[in-house]
Amino acid sequence: DTAVSQTPKYLVTQMGNDKSIKCEQNLGHDTMYWYKQDSKKFLKIMFSYNNKELIINETVPNRFSPKSPDKAHLNLHINSLELGDSAVYFCASSQSDGQGSEKLFFGSGTQLSVL
Amino acid sequence: GNSVTQMEGPVTLSEEAFLTINCTYTATGYPSLFWYVQYPGEGLQLLLKATKADDKGSNKGFEATYRKETTSFHLEKGSVQVSDSAVYFCALSEGGAQKLVFGQGTRLTINP
Repeated sequence: DTAVSQTPKYLVTQMGNDKSIKCEQNLGHDTMYWYKQDSKKFLKIMFSYNNKELIINETVPNRFSPKSPDKAHLNLHINSLELGDSAVYFCASSQSDGQGSEKLFFGSGTQLSVL
Repeated sequence: GNSVTQMEGPVTLSEEAFLTINCTYTATGYPSLFWYVQYPGEGLQLLLKATKADDKGSNKGFEATYRKETTSFHLEKGSVQVSDSAVYFCALSEGGAQKLVFGQGTRLTINP
């Protein structure tokens, strides 16, 4: 049973297309995230949702739109894909422990290649 | 703002060598500190953590001690294995996982 699962694992597409990445967690966590990892492995948070509400929206272009239909799902839709969007996108989830030291559970990533 | 700086990689060692990956941080308060590991083709997973000064986190033979006086959280292992080859991320948080800040990652390769 995969705790945080995201699909697809690989996504190859042309510039200008619109694509979506889906994420589901079966851990009962109340918070979900999208991270972007560039080719140098630098990891940057994009969005955070807590109980379906947007909490964090870092400096991400409007072409990126997260959707959370329920607290177990957080999908990422990307419009008008650009070359610079090529990266690995990770979904993650966490449950607050009241002490500020809870851990993140990551999915295995979606490698997006924009041609 | 808060930040984390790790030693530049890649780091290449022979099996059974001693490992140290340096990590220093800048924070306004008293953060929790973490090491995450990313094996090839996988997402990150928590390796160990420490929540207050002088705490030592440990897991799978890895250790790191929260040093407030030097604002450091260096990762160590006495005898590395080929299976330890991965990218290691130091991170800090003030206020939960939503405020987690990652370092740039250090790629470790262990040769047999």
